Amino acid sequence: DAGITQSPRYKITETGRQVTLMCHQTWSHSYMFWYRQDLGHGLRLIYYSAAADITDKGEVPDGYVVSRSKTENFPLTLESATRSQTSVYFCASSEWGLDTDTQYFGPGTRLTVL
Amino acid sequence: RKEVEQDPGPFNVPEGATVAFNCTYSNSASQSFFWYRQDCRKEPKLLMSVYSSGNEDGRFTAQLNRASQYISLLIRDSKLSDSATYLCVVNDRYNFNKFYFGSGTKLNVKP
Repeated sequence: DAGITQSPRYKITETGRQVTLMCHQTWSHSYMFWYRQDLGHGLRLIYYSAAADITDKGEVPDGYVVSRSKTENFPLTLESATRSQTSVYFCASSEWGLDTDTQYFGPGTRLTVL
Repeated sequence: RKEVEQDPGPFNVPEGATVAFNCTYSNSASQSFFWYRQDCRKEPKLLMSVYSSGNEDGRFTAQLNRASQYISLLIRDSKLSDSATYLCVVNDRYNFNKFYFGSGTKLNVKP
């Protein structure tokens, strides 16, 4: 089914463990984004990517690593998870240009770090 | 100063009411403007995009005022199912295609 998917949908891990959140889109959108949303707060940009092998930091990148070897995938890795990284993580994608730059979101991954 | 500012609400309105939200943005170079709807920490979903002065879709009307740098969303004949958080989003395609999200305005429609 076309669209943007994230896995896992729910994850519980322990402090200090490495965790990778997956994001896959089938539209061949150039841009992909990772956000986190903490309870009662808005979306904050972690990292974004303009194309394969082009990534850049957003507002809150510390403790996260991304890669984009293929256009359709944009995994987010927490190198050593901390309790403050407990959040809902949303991946999104978009194209570039007037009328095509709408951002579409995946269903989110709820991450709990114990 | 935040890039996009919204009144967090909540706006508590009865069914059938008309309600309006405003949003201001700081980057005068922004080109694209959106309203998203978000239910209870689920993914934001596009409600409307606004590329010119305004857009209307059924009960929903969005208006853009570039001179004053604000966007509004009007919901007529509110339904219970309209209860959600409404996010104002602004895009600057020429600044690495960065999207700026407001913190959202919560709407509660009551019977």
